[in-house]
Amino acid sequence: KAGVTQTPRYLIKTRGQQVTLSCSPISGHRSVSWYQQTPGQGLQFLFEYFSETQRNKGNFPGRFSGRQFSNSRSEMNVSTLELGDSALYLCASSFVGLEQYFGPGTRLTVT
Amino acid sequence: GENVEQHPSTLSVQEGDSAVIKCTYSDSASNYFPWYKQELGKRPQLIIDIRSNVGEKKDQRIAVTLNKTAKHFSLHITETQPEDSAVYFCAADNAGNMLTFGGGTRLMVKP
Repeated sequence: KAGVTQTPRYLIKTRGQQVTLSCSPISGHRSVSWYQQTPGQGLQFLFEYFSETQRNKGNFPGRFSGRQFSNSRSEMNVSTLELGDSALYLCASSFVGLEQYFGPGTRLTVT
Repeated sequence: GENVEQHPSTLSVQEGDSAVIKCTYSDSASNYFPWYKQELGKRPQLIIDIRSNVGEKKDQRIAVTLNKTAKHFSLHITETQPEDSAVYFCAADNAGNMLTFGGGTRLMVKP
């Protein structure tokens, strides 16, 4: 099976702009979770979607949002970008829960 | 919410020696504990996991132990090899697909 894929892999944006990241899960996986990875804060949970419904949400401001489509592909959106949003954004997919497999990530740089 | 602490933050061993990484968690409701290996520039890779109804699990040179009473779990790597060099993350899941990660351990295996 093909692994989790994320697009784009790299992105440079300016403060105040918005960005949309995409994640395609492993075929058959219905759950997609998003994480932010930074040197200072480590890996932090953003949110999780299952069958197009957000089931869990981490402690991030409302500027961070996401959605999931009927084919389980997921997008996350960050509005009004801040310098501190520069990070590696990882998505992970799982079949019915527990074992999560990560994508390669999207490296977002905000200038 | 859940809090996971991981020690040590860096670990240097000689090739062939064993390495042990320890994690503690705060939420007694957590019931799933995965370990991820992340090489530089790569995605986190699930290497082993354990559920709360099991005390120990082994996969070749890697083993994980769980002490629910003390709320700690450990990763043991035997006969370390240079290719084991990476950052290792422990995590705990108490809500289903909502992983809380430890701060990571940089393992360096010296040939």
